[in-house]
Amino acid sequence: EDKVVQSPLSLVVHEGDTVTLNCSYEVTNFRSLLWYKQEKKAPTFLFMLTSSGIEKKSGRLSSILDKKELFSILNITATQTGDSAIYLCAVDADMRFGAGTRLTVKP
Amino acid sequence: GAGVSQSPRYKVAKRGQDVALRCDPISGHVSLFWYQQALGQGPEFLTYFQNEAQLDKSGLPSDRFFAERPEGSVSTLKIQRTQQEDSAVYLCASSIDRGKQYFGPGTRLTVT
Repeated sequence: EDKVVQSPLSLVVHEGDTVTLNCSYEVTNFRSLLWYKQEKKAPTFLFMLTSSGIEKKSGRLSSILDKKELFSILNITATQTGDSAIYLCAVDADMRFGAGTRLTVKP
Repeated sequence: GAGVSQSPRYKVAKRGQDVALRCDPISGHVSLFWYQQALGQGPEFLTYFQNEAQLDKSGLPSDRFFAERPEGSVSTLKIQRTQQEDSAVYLCASSIDRGKQYFGPGTRLTVT
């Protein structure tokens, strides 16, 4: 059965810290891996990854995919309190989401 | 509107009632997805439309769940004979293709 596993499930850091969120997957018919940020209701898109080894970057956030080892990481540098959210990973094979990582950034 | 809208935002139903949840996707978006999100969990895929065609309904949990998108735009998710385990947030998302999805605010369904 296809699965997407995120770790850690929860993380508490202080402003300025750097965090790494993990997403591993086992799916058939992989198309892409997507990262979303969910603060209150609607997830908002962060990155879509289709190729191994190519880093995508947006400000303090970056992400990379390893299709051989079947995982992706999301890095956030110099964290701010506004980064507090649930970060979701999804794999477009059957649009399966992980359970998310709840990140809390303390001032 | 500029984004995906859903209505109602909140729905309380008595067990056994039928409910209909509406999704207005971004104009021109071919793909439309429905998800069910329980508290503390990631969204669970329910069904996928490409225009008016329902290409994947493998995530619908039972035959009480039915979705349609008759004109390739607005979509309705219908749940018949609601049960307590149907209580969740129902999210709709649309996209130009299957990739980057834009989510609506969700409908929180509570079955009492």
